[in-house]
Amino acid sequence: DAKTTQPPSMDCAEGRAANLPCNHSTISGNEYVYWYRQIHSQGPQYIIHGLKNNETNEMASLIITEDRKSSTLILPHATLRDTAVYYCIVRVHNNAGNMLTFGGGTRLMVKP
Amino acid sequence: EPEVTQTPSHQVTQMGQEVILRCVPISNHLYFYWYRQILGQKVEFLVSFYNNEISEKSEIFDDQFSVERPDGSNFTLKIRSTKLEDSAMYFCASSPGTGGIGEQFFGPGTRLTVL
Repeated sequence: DAKTTQPPSMDCAEGRAANLPCNHSTISGNEYVYWYRQIHSQGPQYIIHGLKNNETNEMASLIITEDRKSSTLILPHATLRDTAVYYCIVRVHNNAGNMLTFGGGTRLMVKP
Repeated sequence: EPEVTQTPSHQVTQMGQEVILRCVPISNHLYFYWYRQILGQKVEFLVSFYNNEISEKSEIFDDQFSVERPDGSNFTLKIRSTKLEDSAMYFCASSPGTGGIGEQFFGPGTRLTVL
């Protein structure tokens, strides 16, 4: 799986959009970008994934650049409960037996 | 909403003892996983399990570790002779398998403390 690079920490004001960047310059054509988050001491939680088009669900939006070398996870109206470590993971899609390789992630602190 | 459950939430054991961590994956899922997270460190993959056999394992998953699906609902991780460095949060996960999106659903974890 391609390597990803994320800033170690970010702050965001409550109610504002949180934009979390991820670089994955070595991504290959059959690899998707997945985002998970881990709220303190809990199990990781799936957020969203995409290949090359922008994606949106009830939790977040995912913007992938045209060259697919980077992406941004957007939480449109961050709440205190969004404080967590966010992981950007690149892996082959639908190969359900594949492990997830977690990096250090971005620790997002949402402040009142 | 269906969820992965794990028991116990916290297990304390003496070094050298055997421990069994239990998980109940989501009922119609086909792939099962164990991960661990040492305090303050990254989440690390241990093993994946499909069709009653290990499909992938990491270097961490040595002969001291084993997994089993003893019945149609439980998925267990056994550590035969625990070491101090096995102290960690252990997360079980499951995924639907082919036809799904590859999303893995994680349980709340078991905190293992080896004294």
